[in-house]
Amino acid sequence: GAGVSQSPSNKVTEKGKDVELRCDPISGHTALYWYRQSLGQGLEFLIYFQGNSAPDKSGLPSDRFSAERTGGSVSTLTIQRTQQEDSAVYLCASSLFRGRNSPLHFGNGTRLTVT
Amino acid sequence: AQRVTQPEKLLSVFKGAPVELKCNYSYSGSPELFWYVQYSRQRLQLLLRHISRESIKGFTADLNKGETSFHLKKPFAQEEDSAMYYCALHNAGNMLTFGGGTRLMVKP
Repeated sequence: GAGVSQSPSNKVTEKGKDVELRCDPISGHTALYWYRQSLGQGLEFLIYFQGNSAPDKSGLPSDRFSAERTGGSVSTLTIQRTQQEDSAVYLCASSLFRGRNSPLHFGNGTRLTVT
Repeated sequence: AQRVTQPEKLLSVFKGAPVELKCNYSYSGSPELFWYVQYSRQRLQLLLRHISRESIKGFTADLNKGETSFHLKKPFAQEEDSAMYYCALHNAGNMLTFGGGTRLMVKP
């Protein structure tokens, strides 16, 4: 595709429900990142994938959060038993290769609202 | 641990005025610094990176290792520059850390 695609674009869920967010990176991009953008909080790193493996899971806020990537392409971020503080915009980004000279390309994000 | 600090959450200037968005970092290694920008209703995108030493949309940023800063500057702000700006540091382990962001408002 032309860019990083995220779905859904908006998600409203009730507290306690599970949600799954999807990211389709740019074709051929080996690195994939998830960030969370909260009002007034900037961008918070969640997890990073190189291929299908996640060498750095340090940013996941709690064990309710998990992520996987299959086929070196699509990634899903799952939040179990959602809480109101999980409300935020979840951004996915991909880069061509692992390395500091490979800039990130971001999706439009999924706006999650937990009521 | 690495950290990126953008001390101003909001910066408001008039059209034609100079603008400087501040960014300070802490990192023990050799940093790779970037500025990303998010215009209204658009996705976050790369604006410039320090290794390129380029000027994008009239913006420049110089890495000052002595002051551990990477401030973003433009001599004459335009209304279309109004956006959210994020400074980011890429470490050797391929982790990209963002600052808290600065919202730039350019008034007519």
